[in-house]
Amino acid sequence: DAKTTQPPSMDCAEGRAANLPCNHSTISGNEYVYWYRQIHSQGPQYIIHGLKNNETNEMASLIITEDRKSSTLILPHATLRDTAVYYCIDVPGGTSYGKLTFGQGTILTVHP
Amino acid sequence: NAGVTQTPKFQVLKTGQSMTLQCAQDMNHEYMSWYRQDPGMGLRLIHYSVGAGITDQGEVPNGYNVSRSTTEDFPLRLLSAAPSQTSVYFCASSYFGASTDTQYFGPGTRLTVL
Repeated sequence: DAKTTQPPSMDCAEGRAANLPCNHSTISGNEYVYWYRQIHSQGPQYIIHGLKNNETNEMASLIITEDRKSSTLILPHATLRDTAVYYCIDVPGGTSYGKLTFGQGTILTVHP
Repeated sequence: NAGVTQTPKFQVLKTGQSMTLQCAQDMNHEYMSWYRQDPGMGLRLIHYSVGAGITDQGEVPNGYNVSRSTTEDFPLRLLSAAPSQTSVYFCASSYFGASTDTQYFGPGTRLTVL
């Protein structure tokens, strides 16, 4: 079973920031927070990951609380192409050895 | 680089038939995995491999076999297809380095078992 919990769905207006929350109630000290997304019918795509500090790349920003029990993925200017299922996953020691445990994820719908 | 490729894209089988889903990667990744995704669900791990000649079971291995004779290829065999194996199958590859573990997924194989 997935160790993270996410809201089943969220909406966002195009051009606005999308903030997707994730609870990591059982995360351990050496586990990284990873985010993937799956656009309809495609294979999942890596977005971003972090351990303790906030991270930013060309796709998104990741905010991790100090106790690491929750994280937020931020898409700063959502577009219609960001409509997808977003998954947060705890990965031990930074490597999964190819074994990811997916939950149900959050369905993000970006509307005009 | 082609990344992760999967063939076929679509397949229809009759109950009891066997077949092999192909997966190949050209990124020299050590780790390869097979997942299945049922409608409205997240992905579930079937089998994985940490290198050529090494495989292990994931969450839902029953009814599937794998082997890894080369770094590049990781085929998934359905021994005797059942309707419960109707699903979308994704192959993925990854490597470990510098605290990153980005998995690269193929486009999927959509399997229907009648």
